[in-house]
Amino acid sequence: QQQVKQSPQSLIVQKGGIPIINCAYENTAFDYFPWYQQFPGKGPALLIAIRPDVSEKKEGRFTISFNKSAKQFSLHIMDSQPGDSATYFCAASIWDSSYKLIFGSGTRLLVRP
Amino acid sequence: GAVVSQHPSWVICKSGTSVKIECRSLDFQATTMFWYRQFPKQSLMLMATSNEGSKATYEQGVEKDKFLINHASLTLSTLTVTSAHPEDSSFYICSARDRWAHQPQHFGDGTRLSIL
Repeated sequence: QQQVKQSPQSLIVQKGGIPIINCAYENTAFDYFPWYQQFPGKGPALLIAIRPDVSEKKEGRFTISFNKSAKQFSLHIMDSQPGDSATYFCAASIWDSSYKLIFGSGTRLLVRP
Repeated sequence: GAVVSQHPSWVICKSGTSVKIECRSLDFQATTMFWYRQFPKQSLMLMATSNEGSKATYEQGVEKDKFLINHASLTLSTLTVTSAHPEDSSFYICSARDRWAHQPQHFGDGTRLSIL
């Protein structure tokens, strides 16, 4: 029940394409869902996060879609660029506490020029 | 803002030695810091939660005597890998949460540890 399942494991798109990464959770106590971007040899950097009171959140070219009833959320990257090639992790936690982040398994994205 | 600095970024040492990794929050105070371990092409695995002024909380399966965590101030947590062996070689990453905000966690850039 603590798991966050992430798919696909890897993804290749052409420049300008819209990669979509999906995550699913089971613990209904989770109410905070961030996405992190990680480049090789670096720590994860927060991209965007959402809470269950909204179904979609957009920041620049990154959009999170959230489906509370299905307990699923996804990351869309609009107009993807080669510089977006990285590993993306979804995560889940409980907002109003010092609860840990539960990470998905990660998606390696390659954007071809 | 919200910068977490980790030092060293890369360390090589001989088997049997102890290695200390520092995690500092540069522009905020952190009552809670987290230590992760990451193997190549895998996700982050939480090792322990470090609380300022108290003992760390370790995840199941993590050896407390092997991975010593100290969080002596609101801006510094340290992870000491004691009597390190080649199997301890990994990428260690810390994160910190602002004491005045529940979220998000801000991550350091990690420490690549290689034990020969």
